[in-house]
Amino acid sequence: QSVLTQPPSASGTPGQRVTISCSGGSSNIGSNTVNWYQQLPGTAPKLLIYINNQRPSGVPDRFSGSKSGTSASLAISGLQPEDEADYYCTAWDDSLNGPGFGGGTKLTVL
Amino acid sequence: QVHLVQSGAEVKEPGASVKVSCRGSGYTFTDNAIHWVRQAPGQRLEWMGWINTGHGKTQYSENFQDRVTIIRDTSASTAYMELSSLRSEDTAVYYCARGRFEAGFDPWGQGTLVTVSS
Repeated sequence: QSVLTQPPSASGTPGQRVTISCSGGSSNIGSNTVNWYQQLPGTAPKLLIYINNQRPSGVPDRFSGSKSGTSASLAISGLQPEDEADYYCTAWDDSLNGPGFGGGTKLTVL
Repeated sequence: QVHLVQSGAEVKEPGASVKVSCRGSGYTFTDNAIHWVRQAPGQRLEWMGWINTGHGKTQYSENFQDRVTIIRDTSASTAYMELSSLRSEDTAVYYCARGRFEAGFDPWGQGTLVTVSS
């Protein structure tokens, strides 16, 4: 059981803008920062966005994150075929005393 | 460059234990926590626990509290995760990841497939 809720799938065509939502509660997103991970098929997750909206070096500025209240979102603009992957949101959960993960969103580039 | 390298795939029988290692390089090992996360086939990521590599304090998920042990060997820059009383549902890829407080897990190890089968 995930503490954070994501849509199971999303899709878009090359060049489009896609948004993935992440919904939580007061013990996680409402009181802690949100991080996003990209997992390409058969590989380990990779940090994509940290502290709500910061990009690690090397991550294109096509990827952006935002947070409001107990929800967060990841936006991908100028969609590219190589963006096809699973995307996970996570936030520390004070009731778990550990990070909770979303169920993941499978992004398909049509 | 910061790297985490994990031990190789394991096949275990139900009821056995497995111990996975995670060696850090390219940074001061004791500056960051090491977290363990697993992913069953086709399933979501699941946090298992973490260790403060400096003083060795651990925190475990309630889902694994009775079965998981995380330790570290600072002389070898290596953390270990041992899971006991294995059952078929424990078949998964186990990842270690460097914790950066609020700034997420970065990087992750390459993953270790643990298969539990009789």
